[in-house]
Amino acid sequence: QSALTQPRSVSGSPGQSVTISCTGTSSDVGGYNYVSWYQQHPGKAPKLMIYDVSKRPSGVPDRFSGSKSGNTASLTISGLQAEDEADYYCCSYAGSYTFSYVFGTGTKVTVL
Amino acid sequence: QLQLQESGSGLVKPSQTLSLTCAVSGGSISSGGYSWSWIRQPPGKGLEWIGYIYHSGSTYYNPSLKSRVTISVDRSKNQFSLKLSSVTAADTAVYYCARGSPDSSSSPFDYWGQGTLVTVSS
Repeated sequence: QSALTQPRSVSGSPGQSVTISCTGTSSDVGGYNYVSWYQQHPGKAPKLMIYDVSKRPSGVPDRFSGSKSGNTASLTISGLQAEDEADYYCCSYAGSYTFSYVFGTGTKVTVL
Repeated sequence: QLQLQESGSGLVKPSQTLSLTCAVSGGSISSGGYSWSWIRQPPGKGLEWIGYIYHSGSTYYNPSLKSRVTISVDRSKNQFSLKLSSVTAADTAVYYCARGSPDSSSSPFDYWGQGTLVTVSS
């Protein structure tokens, strides 16, 4: 069960859009529509931003959207704002036998 | 508002057992449909799911940690616990407890504790 692969960092100017990829295998990302995304500011606990590939919990701005194609999921932040600067982690359900989860390697989003 | 709070020893010696507790307030740990997880994050690194316990008492663990992990629940105290045996320096991390939401069969982690740092050192 290896960590899902994310780019180490992405950056964009305020108002622009950035997309973070999350690549796994057919045993995790590609096998289930159970990808979630978490935002983590320094020294803070992660916060759920997207679940089930593209669903937003109540209170999460619609600037955050998710999608999936094959073994790769993506998180897009539109209209980038200064407070979006944080680390982002994807997470996928990883097995009907093990009932386990696997996180991504994490991506640092920098607002220029 | 649901709140989770981790507590336990912040320093554990190598080969010993790490023990942490997560106190749940603002809701019942016995409510149906929820799972209760432990997740950790080594300093400067990414997140790793450790395992969870369902409201029914069923437990599921990360295959890479399964031989060393036990998660249990104390319904009378509205809390759940983590024990990780035979620890090494590689187990040094911030440990989070989290709730799995019933809004999806995948139980995404919608509420988190603030995290507690556990250092493994002699």
